Amino acid sequence: DTAVSQTPKYLVTQMGNDKSIKCEQNLGHDTMYWYKQDSKKFLKIMFSYNNKELIINETVPNRFSPKSPDKAHLNLHINSLELGDSAVYFCASSQGVANYGYTFGSGTRLTVV
Amino acid sequence: AQSVTQPDIHITVSEGASLELRCNYSYGATPYLFWYVQSPGQGLQLLLKYFSGDTLVQGIKGFEAEFKRSQSSFNLRKPSVHWSDAAEYFCAVGAGGFQKLVFGTGTRLLVSP
Repeated sequence: DTAVSQTPKYLVTQMGNDKSIKCEQNLGHDTMYWYKQDSKKFLKIMFSYNNKELIINETVPNRFSPKSPDKAHLNLHINSLELGDSAVYFCASSQGVANYGYTFGSGTRLTVV
Repeated sequence: AQSVTQPDIHITVSEGASLELRCNYSYGATPYLFWYVQSPGQGLQLLLKYFSGDTLVQGIKGFEAEFKRSQSSFNLRKPSVHWSDAAEYFCAVGAGGFQKLVFGTGTRLLVSP
C-alpha cells in the first residue's frame, strides 16, 4: 500500500498544452502539499491545503491551479505549459501543520518540449 | 525568514568510513529540524527529526544528528557508510508557523569502494 501516490510518474508534453498531476494519500493526514524540484535539486513549496482549504500559495504563476476535492486528494493542473515548467513535482502530506514532517510521493517528472 | 544552508554540494566517502553532513539553519526560536534522503528517481524519505529534548537524535538506517543551538547546526552523522547510502540528503526546517518545511539545497553523497 503506497502511502502517498502520484500519477503519472513521467509526463512529456509540448509547450502550450494543459496537463494535470494527481496525488492521493491513504495516511489519514489532513494537510497536503505540492513542491517543485528543479534541475539543481532545489525544493520549493508551491501550495498547501489543510482539510481542502488553501493555506499556502507561494507566488506561483496562475497557470498552476491546485484542487483538493477532499483531504485525501490534491491535484495540480497546469495550463499553457512552458519550457521552464520542466521539473519534478512532489506531493507530500502531513498531519496538521508541518511540525512532524512530511510523507512524500515518488514524484512526477514533467518534461516540456 | 527561515532558511537552511548545506555548505557541501557533494561529498565522497569510502565505504566503511564515517560520514558527517553539515546543516546550518536560521530561525529565531527553537526550530523543528529534519533530515531527508532522496535516492535516484525516488521521493524523499524522512531519516530523523528534532523538536525538543535530547539534542542527539537517532534515525533510521543507522543515522544520527546532533542539534547545536550555539552553532545553529544540525549535522547528520553515520559511523560506517554503506554503498547503498549513496543518495541526495536534504536538511529542512519548519517555517511559516510550521505550515511548511524549508529545504536546503541538498548534499550528494558518493560512496567509493
